[in-house]
Amino acid sequence: GEDVEQSLFLSVREGDSSVINCTYTDSSSTYLYWYKQEPGAGLQLLTYIFSNMDMKQDQRLTVLLNKKDKHLSLRIADTQTGDSAIYFCAENSGNTPLVFGKGTRLSVIA
Amino acid sequence: EADIYQTPRYLVIGTGKKITLECSQTMGHDKMYWYQQDPGMELHLIHYSYGVNSTEKGDLSSESTVSRIRTEHFPLTLESARPSHTSQYLCASSESWTDYNEQFFGPGTRLTVL
Repeated sequence: GEDVEQSLFLSVREGDSSVINCTYTDSSSTYLYWYKQEPGAGLQLLTYIFSNMDMKQDQRLTVLLNKKDKHLSLRIADTQTGDSAIYFCAENSGNTPLVFGKGTRLSVIA
Repeated sequence: EADIYQTPRYLVIGTGKKITLECSQTMGHDKMYWYQQDPGMELHLIHYSYGVNSTEKGDLSSESTVSRIRTEHFPLTLESARPSHTSQYLCASSESWTDYNEQFFGPGTRLTVL
């Protein structure tokens, strides 16, 4: 089946930029998503990108997509302690359930 | 704000008990999903439904069962709970019939089987 890979941990200092990377195998992915999970809560959609786009910016968040390499990244500018959470990369093609990565735990050091 | 609810939020039960985890959504979504989440974070899709009277098994083999008699309601049942069922269970829903598949998640049920 299709697979989504991401590194498990990232630690950054408050005020620095965070970059979370993700690779996927499904060449027919139509949308790619970034979800955030805070402690004790469900997942919440942060942002998404359509597969024919290279970049999407939304306030402090920048998503970059390299479709040739099947690589997706999420950059968080000016990282704050409130950004500490687990971040999941996900993709789907057509009318299929989302395929999630294993999640990256972001720790922000004050 | 997503309108998807799960009850109970926390449950501690003994081995062999039958339990039902409730999930309801008020968004009129046709698609609903159940995930089991490891303590180490990974999500495993265990069941999903594309509408009333439709249920499918997910990627992870599970001893649970689901039903979808009403659009808004997607309960998950464990006939005989075991310690290996201890986990966080997340319910989600999404609109159907488009490629864009934003899933809205409930807050989860944390199940502990002693």
